[in-house]
Order: sequence, then C-alpha cells, then structure tokens
Amino acid sequence: GDSVTQMEGPVTLSEEAFLTINCTYTATGYPSLFWYVQYPGEGLQLLLKATKADDKGSNKGFEATYRKETTSFHLEKGSVQVSDSAVYFCALTFTGRRALTFGSGTRLQVQP
Amino acid sequence: EAQVTQNPRYLITVTGKKLTVTCSQNMNHEYMSWYRQDPGLGLRQIYYSMNVEVTDKGDVPEGYKVSRKEKRNFPLILESPSPNQTSLYFCASSVTSGGTGELFFGEGSRLTVL
Repeated sequence: GDSVTQMEGPVTLSEEAFLTINCTYTATGYPSLFWYVQYPGEGLQLLLKATKADDKGSNKGFEATYRKETTSFHLEKGSVQVSDSAVYFCALTFTGRRALTFGSGTRLQVQP
Repeated sequence: EAQVTQNPRYLITVTGKKLTVTCSQNMNHEYMSWYRQDPGLGLRQIYYSMNVEVTDKGDVPEGYKVSRKEKRNFPLILESPSPNQTSLYFCASSVTSGGTGELFFGEGSRLTVL
C-alpha cells in the first residue's frame, strides 16, 4: 500500500535558522501531496499542497516541491520563527480516494 | 466562523462504558471523517461518510461505530471501549473527498480508557 515517511523529530532550531523537513512517499502513480501543520492544542491545518510533478506549493514562507524522480516533497523555510513551533505532517492522496495517508509527523521546536 | 466542533475535548472513562464523541461542522460539507492519532503512527482513518446515510470503514474501524443522520453531524460511538482505544481523535470535513485533500479538522478529543 501507499506510505509516507518523514524524518524523525524533534527538530530543534534557533530563530531565523533555515528549516528542512524531509518527506518521501511510496505510491503507485502520481498522488497529490500535502503538508499539514498542527499547533499545540489544535487540529491540523492545511499548510500547502502540490497536485502534480514539479509543482511548488507555498504558504506563510514555507515551500515544498513535488519531485517525482526522488518521490519527495521536502518542506523548507528560509527563516523560522518561534511561532512556527508545531508538528508537521506530510500526506498524500489520489483523486477519488476517500482518505489521506499521513506520515508520522515531525515536531519542530524553535528557540528564541 | 467556519469550523468543526468536537465534544468532549477530554474524557477519561473505564473499559466497557459506552461513549459518544460528537462532531459538527457548519460549512455544509458533504464529506466527513474520523481519524485517530497515535505517537509514531501519524493519523489513521477510522470511518468516513460521503453524505447523509452513507458511511464506510477506513483503515482502523474495529471497535467503532458512526452514523450520519444529518449533514452537519457525524458522531463517533465506542460501544465497549478498551484501553487500546486510548488516543487522540480528530473529526474532519471537506467539500468533497475527491483527492483535493483540503480537510478541515476539529481541535481533537483526547480519550483515555482505563
């Protein structure tokens, strides 16, 4: 079946550092890819998405590029803030499928 | 304000005592779903509903029931809870399930079964 693999956390960074959270997937075909963010005590929110190869999703300074050659969708941000501290989930789905397949999540801690 | 509302947010119960977690959305969404979140496993789908009176199993349906009598409500029922159902539960809704993946999540319900 399909699966999503994320790097283990927690990732601890100082404010203004560069962020990369790795995400790779295993699937037959070309899924749509997503990053969701979960702030403490809240539900998940869609952060960005990409629906076809080479697409770049971006939002709130975060970016991720859909790389079909490496089956990856790594999340990046040039300068993190304390307010970015959260758990980040990579996910995939296909058109017509009734669920998302989530990775295990990566906790980001940003220190002042 | 567009939102998905779950209740209760926190619950401690004992094995075998039936409980219901309610979920309501005010966005007129067709699709609703329940997920559970466990450490190291991410989110796994329990049940989903494409519309009123249409429900189906997700990846981990054992021990759970759902109903969809109204479009806005999608309660999760644990008829006889067991300790392995201790988890964080999320209800989610979407305009469609058609692969857009743009789910709107509730704030979660943390359930502990003793």
